[in-house]
Amino acid sequence: QKEVEQDPGPLSVPEGAIVSLNCTYSNSAFQYFMWYRQYSRKGPELLMYTYSSGNKEDGRFTAQVDKSSKYISLFIRDSQPSDSATYLCAMSWTYNNNDMRFGAGTRLTVKP
Amino acid sequence: KAGVTQTPRYLIKTRGQQVTLSCSPISGHRSVSWYQQTPGQGLQFLFEYFSETQRNKGNFPGRFSGRQFSNSRSEMNVSTLELGDSALYLCASSLAEGLAGVKGNEQFFGPGTRLTVL
Repeated sequence: QKEVEQDPGPLSVPEGAIVSLNCTYSNSAFQYFMWYRQYSRKGPELLMYTYSSGNKEDGRFTAQVDKSSKYISLFIRDSQPSDSATYLCAMSWTYNNNDMRFGAGTRLTVKP
Repeated sequence: KAGVTQTPRYLIKTRGQQVTLSCSPISGHRSVSWYQQTPGQGLQFLFEYFSETQRNKGNFPGRFSGRQFSNSRSEMNVSTLELGDSALYLCASSLAEGLAGVKGNEQFFGPGTRLTVL
C-alpha cells in the first residue's frame, strides 16, 4: 500500500462546476500538506500549503485537512478551462527538507 | 526574472551508460531539490542540496548521485542506466533549505529533463 493514495482520474467537469480532489494517506506523522498543479510539459507549481488540520482558502481554491481521517481535499470553485491540469497532493512529516510524499496526481479537464 | 532551467530537455541513452543532468536555479536561490516522475511511481524525491551540501536523500540506489556548485547550480548523475530509469527528472529551487511552502519558502520547478533508456 502506498503512503499516499490519489485517484488518477481522469476527471472531466463543465466550466463553472465545483471540483473536489482528494487524497488519503497512511502515515500519521504527516503534518504538512501541499497541493501542486502541473500543466502538460511543465513542472509542478505549488498551489496550497496547509499545516496540520483545518481549512485554508486562496481565491477559488480551498484546501482541507482532516488528520483524524487521514484525508485531504482541494476544492476549486467556479472552475475554468485554464484549471485543466494534473493536481498532485504532497505531504511531509518535517519542515527541515523537501522529502515529500506525492500522490499519483488527478488529471482534470474543465470543458467550456 | 529567469526561471529554473534544466538541460538537456530530452535525452536518449542505452542501458549501462551513464548520464549527467544539469539544473540552474533561479538567481539567489540556494536550495536545489531533484525529483523523478514516472507514470507508475509518480513524483519521488531524489535529493536536496543547500550550500553545496546534500541535506537529504530519497530512497534511491547509489547509482543516483548529485552535487551542487558554489553558484548553486546542480547536477545529478545516474550511472549504469537501467530501463526503469526512464523518467522525467525535475529540478526545483527555493531561497532557503527546508520544506517548500513553509514560511514563504516557495519552491519553483523547472520543466524537467525527459530521459529515455533503451
